[in-house]
Amino acid sequence: EDKVVQSPLSLVVHEGDTVTLNCSYEVTNFRSLLWYKQEKKAPTFLFMLTSSGIEKKSGRLSSILDKKELFSILNITATQTGDSAVYLCAVNFGNEKLTFGTGTRLTIIP
Amino acid sequence: GAGVSQSPSNKVTEKGKDVELRCDPISGHTALYWYRQSLGQGLEFLIYFQGNSAPDKSGLPSDRFSAERTGGSVSTLTIQRTQQEDSAVYLCASSFRQGVQPQHFGDGTRLSIL
Repeated sequence: EDKVVQSPLSLVVHEGDTVTLNCSYEVTNFRSLLWYKQEKKAPTFLFMLTSSGIEKKSGRLSSILDKKELFSILNITATQTGDSAVYLCAVNFGNEKLTFGTGTRLTIIP
Repeated sequence: GAGVSQSPSNKVTEKGKDVELRCDPISGHTALYWYRQSLGQGLEFLIYFQGNSAPDKSGLPSDRFSAERTGGSVSTLTIQRTQQEDSAVYLCASSFRQGVQPQHFGDGTRLSIL
C-alpha cells in the first residue's frame, strides 16, 4: 500500500534555529514528491522533487530527495515566526492523485 | 483567475440535507482534484478530473458523494443526505497537466454538519 510518513509530528524551536523535517514513503511506483506549507487555509506549494540528489532551494528553504532510501528532507535555516505552519509532504505514486502524510506542525518561538 | 477559488468558504447545515461545494480552478489548468481534510488527519483524495472526465473516483467515500465538471472549468462536489462524519474541510486543487505539474490548492470549504 502506498504510504507517506512524516516526522516529527510537531516541532517547537526558537527563532533563528535551523530545522529539518523528514518525509519517508513506501512505494509501488513513484513519480514525484511535493512539499506544501499550510497556515490557516490553502496548502501553498513549496517544492516538487523528481530526481535523487538534486537540491531545490528557495530563500531559506531547501529540499532534497533520496530515491534509493525513499525519503526527502525539508530544511529551513534562520527560522522566523512566519515559518510557523504545518508542513505537508505528498507523493505521486504514478497515478494522478497525491498521497499525503499527516504533516509536521512547526512552531517558531520569538 | 489568479488562484483556485472555492465557495462557500464555510457551510453549516443540518444532518440529512444535501450540499453543493464549488471549485473554480486556475485558468488554463486542465486537471482538477478534490481532497478532504478532517480534523487531525492528512488530506484524503476524493476524485480528480481531466477535462470533464473523471478517470479516478476511487476516493469517494460513499454513493452519497458525486462530482461533476463542466466546460473543462468549474467543478461541483455534491454530498447528499449529509452525515456528521462528513464534517471536514473540502479542498480543491488544479494543475496545468495531470501528474506532471504541481497541484495548487484553494482555501477550501469548511463543512459542518449539525
